[in-house]
Amino acid sequence: QKEVEQDPGPLSVPEGAIVSLNCTYSNSAFQYFMWYRQYSRKGPELLMYTYSSGNKEDGRFTAQVDKSSKYISLFIRDSQPSDSATYLCASRRGGAQKLVFGQGTRLTINP
Amino acid sequence: SQTIHQWPATLVQPVGSPLSLECTVEGTSNPNLYWYRQAAGRGLQLLFYSVGIGQISSEVPQNLSASRPQDRQFILSSKKLLLSDSGFYLCAWSGQLNEKLFFGSGTQLSVL
Repeated sequence: QKEVEQDPGPLSVPEGAIVSLNCTYSNSAFQYFMWYRQYSRKGPELLMYTYSSGNKEDGRFTAQVDKSSKYISLFIRDSQPSDSATYLCASRRGGAQKLVFGQGTRLTINP
Repeated sequence: SQTIHQWPATLVQPVGSPLSLECTVEGTSNPNLYWYRQAAGRGLQLLFYSVGIGQISSEVPQNLSASRPQDRQFILSSKKLLLSDSGFYLCAWSGQLNEKLFFGSGTQLSVL
């Protein structure tokens, strides 16, 4: 079993829709959770960073962590064609050097 | 502000040829440095990481090696490339507290 599981998609939604991207993880010691956005042939860009459980909002993006169910979510409101990219979730333990990544979900926003 | 430079952006190499990819970080001292590989349609695989000059940890046995000759320089090498070495290579850095990981722009390597 992979430590971080993510549905690879692809996911296609119309412009303006609310997008929900999800990951599950198996290591209960994970404390730090991140979402990255990666455009084709580019390096991943850090989008959201959260510690422990709870919600974090940044503009149209909301990251949610539920440690009781080991579930990580990213919500995108008022989605735009420029949001079309691959989204990667990632987690790590406190003090750990290594970040564990999900496989990534490819998202397309249709105008 | 901190920036990470990675080059070249694209590289086509014949099987059996050597490889050297370079990554440098600016605007920070004593960063943790990482090399990842991303195969087409797949997740990120950690290859090497370094917490200081000359300190290299290898995650998977393979045809590649890494070196850190200077504090903010990380090099990925191979003596003889294999077809299976093709992929998208990413350099990344984090601070000593490991809070956030930042990636370079990547190198698309095609071994033919």
